[in-house]
Amino acid sequence: EVQVLESGGGLVQPGGSLRLSCVGSGFTFSGYAMSWVRQAPGKGLEWVSAISDSGSHTYYAKSVKGRFTISRDNSKNTQYLQMNSLRAEDTAIYLCAKDLGGGAAFDVWGQGTVVTVSS
Amino acid sequence: QSVLTQPPSASGTSGQRVAISCSGSSSNIGTNSLNWYYHLPGTAPKLLIYNNNQRPSGVPDRFSGSKSGTSASLAISGLQAEDEADYYCAAWDNSLNGWVFGGGTKLTVL
Repeated sequence: EVQVLESGGGLVQPGGSLRLSCVGSGFTFSGYAMSWVRQAPGKGLEWVSAISDSGSHTYYAKSVKGRFTISRDNSKNTQYLQMNSLRAEDTAIYLCAKDLGGGAAFDVWGQGTVVTVSS
Repeated sequence: QSVLTQPPSASGTSGQRVAISCSGSSSNIGTNSLNWYYHLPGTAPKLLIYNNNQRPSGVPDRFSGSKSGTSASLAISGLQAEDEADYYCAAWDNSLNGWVFGGGTKLTVL
């Protein structure tokens, strides 16, 4: 079964850091781009960041650029999201999403990991 | 304020047909493919429609998508209770160099 599983969420103080992980299984991880999407409480889905299959290209939403870093380790079938200088508005469920292929769409999603930024 | 605009809510009775709209601009819908997602809060979102009108395997043909210019629409026919969920449109935006989502439409089956 093709699936992705997130981990690493938690409670962090404003200005703090957190690293999220997403492990993929049931597919050739190195063959697909991956993304992170978040949903703040009571809000809709917001794309956060994407990384190409090789990891050579990365993309960020304006709201996180300069604070978040996406990376991947294809030998471990894992992508990461390093989140620094966290703000209250970063509080959300962070979802890992697999690309369908060719940057077409997100065809496999995880259930998410919760990040709460609060003092 | 989302880059793609959707109505916040829609409703229909069981068996009815309902349509959800999604409006964008030349840098996103006008140039790139449009996708639709189904989401029950607390669960993993599900891809319903990709490339404007393509259904992944396993998605019933009650769901259909269309696009014209900078707007798109998701139609659901034969509405069922389990269709009650949040629906999101999404597209790549060439100006922002990233994915953009609509604000989501909460569908209620009366």
